[in-house]
Amino acid sequence: QVQLQESGPRLVKPSETLSLTCTVSGGSIRSYYWSWIRQPPGKGLEWIGYIYYTGSTNYNPSLKSRVTMSVDTSKNQFSLQLTSVTAADTAVYFCTRDLRKNYYDNSGYYDYWGLGTLVTVSS
Amino acid sequence: SYEVTQPPSVSVSPGQTASITCSGDKLGDKYASWYQQKPGQFPVVVIYQDTKRPSGIPERFSGSNSGNTATLTISGTQVMDEANYYCQVWDSSTVVFGGGTQLTVL
Repeated sequence: QVQLQESGPRLVKPSETLSLTCTVSGGSIRSYYWSWIRQPPGKGLEWIGYIYYTGSTNYNPSLKSRVTMSVDTSKNQFSLQLTSVTAADTAVYFCTRDLRKNYYDNSGYYDYWGLGTLVTVSS
Repeated sequence: SYEVTQPPSVSVSPGQTASITCSGDKLGDKYASWYQQKPGQFPVVVIYQDTKRPSGIPERFSGSNSGNTATLTISGTQVMDEANYYCQVWDSSTVVFGGGTQLTVL
């Protein structure tokens, strides 16, 4: 059974960088796409972007200028960095497995999710 | 950018059929997935690729997608189905979520 677990600071100061890591257990990170999705308190889901195990990425255009994702196949982990955060970035951040087959596949969906971690942006 | 719209809330009596819609321009040309999220939990996919149901999801959950509307149907709705439901689609290799629909079973 694949399990995902988010880790990283729960409190980030405004203008600083939010950094999270997702550790995948029970399966290999290889041959899959992996996504980050966030949810502000009391609000809906927002896709942040995905990374393929090879390192290729695709980001939400609304966040693209501030987002960087990376992958470490040796540790079965992938990571998110979001720069210049504001209070609007306060949210529960989920890491997920994305079952898209390739870049052109628009039938992908999310079958495994981490429990999510609440990151608060506050001074 | 592409947008999809869901009704904020839907109410249904136990045992009745609930229908939750997701509307977007030519949505029927895209694949829709549906997620159920209960308070304090991560979302769970209940329908993917318009009509497919993952293993472990009850048969009372079904989906359709045509024209400008995708629909999640829950037949014989149970109290345990009370949750927020989100539709998800891909557009130009980016993901779009609907705003979510709160399903109340009472």
